[in-house]
Amino acid sequence: ELKVEQNPLFLSMQEGKNYTIYCNYSTTSDRLYWYRQDPGKSLESLFVLLSNGAVKQEGRLMASLDTKARLSTLHITAAVHDLSATYFCAVDPGRNTGNQFYFGTGTSLTVIP
Amino acid sequence: NAGVTQTPKFRVLKTGQSMTLLCAQDMNHEYMYWYRQDPGMGLRLIHYSVGEGTTAKGEVPDGYNVSRLKKQNFLLGLESAAPSQTSVYFCASSYSFLTGELFFGEGSRLTVL
Repeated sequence: ELKVEQNPLFLSMQEGKNYTIYCNYSTTSDRLYWYRQDPGKSLESLFVLLSNGAVKQEGRLMASLDTKARLSTLHITAAVHDLSATYFCAVDPGRNTGNQFYFGTGTSLTVIP
Repeated sequence: NAGVTQTPKFRVLKTGQSMTLLCAQDMNHEYMYWYRQDPGMGLRLIHYSVGEGTTAKGEVPDGYNVSRLKKQNFLLGLESAAPSQTSVYFCASSYSFLTGELFFGEGSRLTVL
């Protein structure tokens, strides 16, 4: 069974600081996704990473994928309060497993003014 | 801009009662999924479908049944609800395995007493 581990699980950071969230997974995959969830809301797609070395950036968030290390990172630059949310990574092992997505447990981010 | 719509949004059941959650998508997506979200456990896949008339088990299928009689609809049934099925249920869909990006509904909060 594929395992997806995120760390940290909880992150409290000051506005203006930088930090990285890590997502490790246990099986071969070159398809990884990042989602954001606000409290009581649904999940919103942030990034789709479909190959080794893929890097995507949107505003203060940048995601990367290293398939050989089975690691993805979500880097936050100069955090602002609006980034407070829970962030999930999800791995899709591919068609042979029926395109099941396996989610990490999430990282709850709080940005303090 | 309906996207993925789930009904009902909230439901309270007594142990042993049955119910059906409806998921409808208007994006002509082939793939549909039902997840449950519990605190500290991320999202876990219950059942999924890769096309009309097909269904398959996910990570936690016990106690649930599904049907996909029409491409746009994916139903999740609980035949005899148990308190352990108290959760928030999310439906998601995706166009194909090539991109795989999931689009989520707003969630259905189910409480089993």
